[in-house]
Amino acid sequence: DTAVSQTPKYLVTQMGNDKSIKCEQNLGHDTMYWYKQDSKKFLKIMFSYNNKELIINETVPNRFSPKSPDKAHLNLHINSLELGDSAVYFCASSQDDGSLPGLARDTQYFGPGTRLTVL
Amino acid sequence: AQSVTQPDIHITVSEGASLELRCNYSYGATPYLFWYVQSPGQGLQLLLKYFSGDTLVQGIKGFEAEFKRSQSSFNLRKPSVHWSDAAEYFCAVSVEYGNKLVFGAGTILRVKS
Repeated sequence: DTAVSQTPKYLVTQMGNDKSIKCEQNLGHDTMYWYKQDSKKFLKIMFSYNNKELIINETVPNRFSPKSPDKAHLNLHINSLELGDSAVYFCASSQDDGSLPGLARDTQYFGPGTRLTVL
Repeated sequence: AQSVTQPDIHITVSEGASLELRCNYSYGATPYLFWYVQSPGQGLQLLLKYFSGDTLVQGIKGFEAEFKRSQSSFNLRKPSVHWSDAAEYFCAVSVEYGNKLVFGAGTILRVKS
């Protein structure tokens, strides 16, 4: 069984379009994340949600809007896509309660990634 | 700001040879430290993590890492590399609250037979 799944795996689209990437985890975790990996393989967190509540928002353009319908899902919607949005987007989840002070202890489990190409 | 440095972009080793991947972090206190591996076209998989206690931690697939506070380092090692270890390796630290992981730029490992 896949622990963290993402769809689609590949997404090719034109500039200006709006697209969504879906993420689901069946681990019963409370916290989910979106990371962006750029062309130089640099991996950076974008958002984290705990029980459907936004915990981290790393100064991501407001064209990116995460939506968490329930704690097992965290979807990423991107409006008005730009060339610079081309990247691999990874979803992850962990058991940590991100609302409490302290460092992340629990393992973050990553999905397989979605390669977004904006033409 | 907190940062993670992986000085080696690429490393090539012969199958059966030993391996050490370097990781240095910049953080005021002792962070939580992680090593992840990413195989081509795959997501990241945790190899090992350090929180406290014994500074030599064992992970999966025969990997280990040693935390050295004096050097702000957390280098990953494996005594004998297998061809299946060819992948990209990321060091990460956990800082502040909110479960934020900060990743290094990664080291690509190539294994030659």
